[in-house]
Amino acid sequence: DAKTTQPNSMESNEEEPVHLPCNHSTISGTDYIHWYRQLPSQGPEYVIHGLTSNVNNRMASLAIAEDRKSSTLILHRATLRDAAVYYCILRRNTGKLIFGQGTTLQVKP
Amino acid sequence: EPEVTQTPSHQVTQMGQEVILRCVPISNHLYFYWYRQILGQKVEFLVSFYNNEISEKSEIFDDQFSVERPDGSNFTLKIRSTKLEDSAMYFCASSEGGIGGSPLHFGNGTRLTVT
Repeated sequence: DAKTTQPNSMESNEEEPVHLPCNHSTISGTDYIHWYRQLPSQGPEYVIHGLTSNVNNRMASLAIAEDRKSSTLILHRATLRDAAVYYCILRRNTGKLIFGQGTTLQVKP
Repeated sequence: EPEVTQTPSHQVTQMGQEVILRCVPISNHLYFYWYRQILGQKVEFLVSFYNNEISEKSEIFDDQFSVERPDGSNFTLKIRSTKLEDSAMYFCASSEGGIGGSPLHFGNGTRLTVT
């Protein structure tokens, strides 16, 4: 399974944008880039995914580098409820997701 | 918005007992998964299930574990003889498709405590 690298932790101020980076230099052509987050005492929650083009949804935006070796999850205005562990995962056409340690995001009021 | 539901939210059992964890996946989803998370550790893949059979399983998913879709709506994980090290959060997930572009939707888990 292709590996991703994320910072262990990041801090943000409330109502400011947050850019969460992810490196995936060994990504293959069929790997989709998925982002999930896990709030305390909850199950992982799907955030966004993409293949080559940048993606937007109601939760976040995903910016994918042209060579696809890195991506950035963008939360446009962080709220206290966005404090969570964010996971960047490559998903192949085999079904399973392999979770790493993720990035723990702290949001300060 | 449809969601994956899991019951019970907390299960306490004695070592050596059998336990069944239950999940109701999203209704039009065809792929089902179980994951677990030991306290303070990563979320770990256990098993994936499609078309009434296991598609993939991890090393953790040994003969003590089994999965079943007993009817059109439930998906269960059975642990035959629980051990102390089975204590963890167990998450069920489902997806509409099995391809890379199909996201997984997770339930909020069952906390299993083995004493």
